[in-house]
Amino acid sequence: QVTLRESGPALVKPTQTLTLTCTFSGFSLTTSGLCVSWIRQPPGKALEWLALIDWDDETYYNASLRTRLTISRDTSKNQVVFTMTDMDPVDTATYFCARINVEAAGTFDYWGQGILVTVSS
Amino acid sequence: DIQLTQSPSFLSASVGDRVTITCRASQDISSFLAWYQQKPGKAPKLLIYAASTLQSGVPSKFSGSGSGTEFTLTISSLQPEDFATYYCQQLHSLREVTFGGGTKVEIK
Repeated sequence: QVTLRESGPALVKPTQTLTLTCTFSGFSLTTSGLCVSWIRQPPGKALEWLALIDWDDETYYNASLRTRLTISRDTSKNQVVFTMTDMDPVDTATYFCARINVEAAGTFDYWGQGILVTVSS
Repeated sequence: DIQLTQSPSFLSASVGDRVTITCRASQDISSFLAWYQQKPGKAPKLLIYAASTLQSGVPSKFSGSGSGTEFTLTISSLQPEDFATYYCQQLHSLREVTFGGGTKVEIK
């Protein structure tokens, strides 16, 4: 059974760095074709892809946010860590982690429940 | 950048209606397109992948078609549990993942 769960702070201040952890089970991130990704959704708005890390430890980022983002993995703990620097109130959103299955045409086949992060002083 | 444009952005329909949502890609993405359903406060749920393949456990009233730059999601007979927001998504390359802007389906 595949599960993913996001954890981290619910509130961050402007200019701070956000660090979120995705803890997953039911698969290995070293299995060819599997990736873990982060996606966010501001309240009432559309989904926005942020970053992903693949089975070879290659990382890919949303070009418009690249300078602020870092994604990494700890395969021994089945965790993926995501950081976003210089947080601003416009970054207030629900942040999801999800598994990508490249073998299924690159779909997000399993999602975490999401974590609402509010940026406010 | 590959852009995905969904239409309409809002759709009002009645129970039993046949509903079609369109997703247009700004360049050829072959069949690397998926559709998701999202209800308020929940994570998106995968419905269709590879443009037309129904995800396991998803009712057959959902169907997808298209390739290249134009894709459609059809719900054959809308039921109360289908009122939600629907998103398309492409992953033609791991370097660039894109979601459409969403289509909210509401009860008329």
